[in-house]
Amino acid sequence: AQSVSQHNHHVILSEAASLELGCNYSYGGTVNLFWYVQYPGQHLQLLLKYFSGDPLVKGIKGFEAEFIKSKFSFNLRKPSVQWSDTAEYFCAVKNSGGYQKVTFGTGTKLQVIP
Amino acid sequence: DAGITQSPRHKVTETGTPVTLRCHQTENHRYMYWYRQDPGHGLRLIHYSYGVKDTDKGEVSDGYSVSRSKTEDFLLTLESATSSQTSVYFCAISEPSGRQNEQFFGPGTRLTVL
Repeated sequence: AQSVSQHNHHVILSEAASLELGCNYSYGGTVNLFWYVQYPGQHLQLLLKYFSGDPLVKGIKGFEAEFIKSKFSFNLRKPSVQWSDTAEYFCAVKNSGGYQKVTFGTGTKLQVIP
Repeated sequence: DAGITQSPRHKVTETGTPVTLRCHQTENHRYMYWYRQDPGHGLRLIHYSYGVKDTDKGEVSDGYSVSRSKTEDFLLTLESATSSQTSVYFCAISEPSGRQNEQFFGPGTRLTVL
């Protein structure tokens, strides 16, 4: 069975600080990886995704993530956070076969202080 | 935003009463999902559907049933609500043939069981 670990449950940063949120997954086969964001009171929205090719993936709003297969990791980064990035971030994994089940991590709450 | 609506958006009910939540999509996506979101647990899959009348259990299916009689509607029923089912419920959709399996989420239903 696949699983996802997000080790940072709550992160507090000042504006302009750099961000890195950890995500590790366990699954023996080929995977598709996602980062979703949930702004306060809203539904989940896709930030970025990795399916194949370049392991460095760029998403919306200046976010990027790097897939490191040897480490089973897909960490999310942003060079300079803004107050508007305050949200909860979820990493998710799906096996790349036909089965559509996606497993989500427990989420990381990011609070950006102006 | 993908055409996904959920109803009701908020509901307060009493222990032991039946509750039905509705998810409606206008995207003609084949797959539909019900998740619950709880602090510290992230999103957990309750049930999913891979076509009309085709459904399967997720990781937290006990106490829930689903039905899908039309492509656009996916109903989640709590046969006899319990306080442990107080949660925010999200519906999601995906289409394997397009957008590389990205899941789109509805706005959520906040359910309180007293």
